[in-house]
Amino acid sequence: DTEVTQTPKHLVMGMTNKKSLKCEQHMGHRAMYWYKQKAKKPPELMFVYSYEKLSINESVPSRFSPECPNSSLLNLHLHALQPEDSALYLCASSQGPLFDYSPLHFGNGTRLTVT
Amino acid sequence: QKEVEQNSGPLSVPEGAIASLNCTYSDRGSQSFFWYRQYSGKSPELIMFIYSNGDKEDGRFTAQLNKASQYVSLLIRDSQPSDSATYLCAVNTGAAGNKLTFGGGTRVLVKP
Repeated sequence: DTEVTQTPKHLVMGMTNKKSLKCEQHMGHRAMYWYKQKAKKPPELMFVYSYEKLSINESVPSRFSPECPNSSLLNLHLHALQPEDSALYLCASSQGPLFDYSPLHFGNGTRLTVT
Repeated sequence: QKEVEQNSGPLSVPEGAIASLNCTYSDRGSQSFFWYRQYSGKSPELIMFIYSNGDKEDGRFTAQLNKASQYVSLLIRDSQPSDSATYLCAVNTGAAGNKLTFGGGTRVLVKP
């Protein structure tokens, strides 16, 4: 079982809905990440939080809004999504920033479908 | 040129044989290299990580790194049908080295 917990496992939402994806880790990790993965493609980085501060935003559209309330929690708020945003959203954490040689550990993901 | 490149496969190997997977990367400043296994519909699972030139062995897996050639590889010995999956090479990139960039993945099929 993964030590990074993501909820919900599946989410179906309309283009006018507002929803949130949640991620939690209790390993004392200080860096957390959101990745997006389309079918048969590798994960693509969206956001990196390091010590609860947003350190990387990979030019993600504003309809995706990340939030890191504390060192254990990471949220991704979704609003006015498009059908092409349907994908597997992966949360990951690492003990420290990657330049400290910390591997990423992934959660099980949230399968998002936008209708 | 993509930052991290892998042969997409599929790499078909008979059960019990050695599977050899290759990965090249473009950022000479990269210091951390990871191999993840991903089963269909599941999330990536960390198999190995390597930071220094040379070989690193863990059970049936061996990672090899050559920074001069910007090349990292993964060997799977005594391949089992349960090893059938997509293997993702990942490398830390970016000015601060704080990003993990994935290759496209190599699909491995182990045939009984």
